[in-house]
Formats: sequence, C-alpha cells, structure tokens
Amino acid sequence: GAGVSQTPSNKVTEKGKYVELRCDPISGHTALYWYRQSLGQGPEFLIYFQGTGAADDSGLPNDRFFAVRPEGSVSTLKIQRTERGDSAVYLCASSPSGGLHTQYFGPGTRLTVL
Amino acid sequence: SQQGEEDPQALSIQEGENATMNCSYKTSINNLQWYRQNSGRGLVHLILIRSNEREKHSGRLRVTLDTSKKSSSLLITASRAADTASYFCATDASSGGSNYKLTFGKGTLLTVNP
Repeated sequence: GAGVSQTPSNKVTEKGKYVELRCDPISGHTALYWYRQSLGQGPEFLIYFQGTGAADDSGLPNDRFFAVRPEGSVSTLKIQRTERGDSAVYLCASSPSGGLHTQYFGPGTRLTVL
Repeated sequence: SQQGEEDPQALSIQEGENATMNCSYKTSINNLQWYRQNSGRGLVHLILIRSNEREKHSGRLRVTLDTSKKSSSLLITASRAADTASYFCATDASSGGSNYKLTFGKGTLLTVNP
C-alpha cells in the first residue's frame, strides 16, 4: 500500500514569507507526527495529532509555527514570517494509533529560506 | 534535545565486513528503535526492541539492549554497498504519558566501500 507522502519535496522561499507543507499519512492511521531535522542532526519532535486534535504541540519552536489536521487525515504544517533558521527537512510520520507503535516516515520536505 | 547519542559519528568499512553502531540514552524507555536514512531524506524503520527484551534479530540486523547501561547496539553483518546510509536510534519516554514522542540521536554515517 501507499506510504506517507509529503509535498512539496523541496520548497525555497524568501525570509518573511509564509509556507505550507503537506503530509498525507498512511490510510487508516490515526496518529500523525511532524519532526524537523537540521543538517547533521537527528529529527526533533514538533507536534503529534491523534485524530483531528493536536495532542502535543510542545515541540513547536514558537508561535510562527502551526499545524492542522481538520479531517483527521491530511495535515498541513504552516510557518509564518519564515526565518533563515527555519531551513531544515520537515518530516511527517504516521502510525496506527498513538503510543507504542512504529512510526512510518515520509520522504520529507526540504525547506530553504533565503 | 537529543536523548540518544550514537557512536561512532562516522564509520567506513569494506563490503562483506560487519558494522557495529552504538547508542546511549539518558532516561528510562519503553522501546528503542533503529532507523536508516538515505541522503538526508525519509527514515526507514529497521527494528524495534522493547525495554524487556535483550536481543532481537531481523535478517542481517542484530540489536541488543542493555537497560542497566542505557545503551543499545546495532550490528549489520556481511555489509553491502547499499547499506551506506545514516543510522539513528530513537527512544520513547516511559514516563509522563509521552511514549509517542520519539527522541533521536545525531546518527552514525555508515559508508560501505565496494
């Protein structure tokens, strides 16, 4: 079956602009996660959705970052007033439910802020 | 913050040799997982070992877990050039109800020379 997909695969934007990154989880997976990976580092947790609600957004770095999952499937990560330090690969993962399950990752979106 | 620390940071071996990577972590866990990442993009889940397990095998992979030392090792036997990738360990916290939140190390870059 289809895995987690993310679009776009690459996004180049200018400082101060707004961007949206999309994640399509594996069908039927109720849990969805966003991570951010800077160069030379491991992924860092941003936010976790169980169904439509954000169960834990403690990893979002500041209020310029926001994520939604209105119908409990596709999720969008939104970044306002982008800064050069936001440049990273944004990874989405899903799992059948939250808790002790393997998380299946998408290919990521590489965001570059000029 | 990074919970796990892999070592070595980089490992270069010849095809056919075995590769061993280590991971240390700081807090009590439910599970420890190993992931592979090619070219800085999506992570592929390799193996999950639960805190009450000591060793697990999957094909050419062997994972050990020593909870008393808060450490794990990943052994890849009879390595192939296609095994060239970054390898990450990821842990989930056993307390605080946040066992969905994976914390990754910085990874080990494995290069297998043909």
